Amino acid sequence: DGGITQSPKYLFRKEGQNVTLSCEQNLNHDAMYWYRQDPGQGLRLIYYSQIVNDFQKGDIAEGYSVSREKKESFPLTVTSAQKNPTAFYLCASRLRGQTYGYTFGSGTRLTVV
Amino acid sequence: KQEVTQIPAALSVPEGENLVLNCSFTDSAIYNLQWFRQDPGKGLTSLLLIQSSQREQTSGRLNASLDKSSGRSTLYIAASQPGDSATYLCAVNPTGNQFYFGTGTSLTVIP
Repeated sequence: DGGITQSPKYLFRKEGQNVTLSCEQNLNHDAMYWYRQDPGQGLRLIYYSQIVNDFQKGDIAEGYSVSREKKESFPLTVTSAQKNPTAFYLCASRLRGQTYGYTFGSGTRLTVV
Repeated sequence: KQEVTQIPAALSVPEGENLVLNCSFTDSAIYNLQWFRQDPGKGLTSLLLIQSSQREQTSGRLNASLDKSSGRSTLYIAASQPGDSATYLCAVNPTGNQFYFGTGTSLTVIP
């Protein structure tokens, strides 16, 4: 079945460490997105990519980095510069074009210990 | 920047009741609007996607309407069931590139 796979489901990070969250899709979608979700807040966009080897900053990109070397993959690195990284991270994808909606992965919960 | 508001933040209803969830947005120039369901600790499941040229979309017991001129969308759930308990999020797409999300309505259906 086609879908988006996020791994791991739970991730623990020590302060000062970088960690990478995986997002893989087999939907042949062009665009991929990373959102952060905190309690009581809406989803906030971190980065997005419309095509391979190109990506754009979202509203809260500071302390995060991404790459898009393959159409299927859009990993997110949470760097030590991100001051409050504990959150639920969601990856989404969609076909490129104005009329298409999102498909989401199941999320990764990151906790700083 | 597009602002999306969902009212109420939480709703509790008895099983079998019909209910309406509201979503409002500040800029009426949108390409489409999408409703999602989120269970605790899970990702988002798409329920309905309405294009800007459409007035409503239906899927089973769900019906979503869109009134661009007033910046409003509603999600109607008929004959609610305990399994409908979840958080419902609406998202609008003003640029064609990304969606902006509301904070959601947490629904509890009491058996």
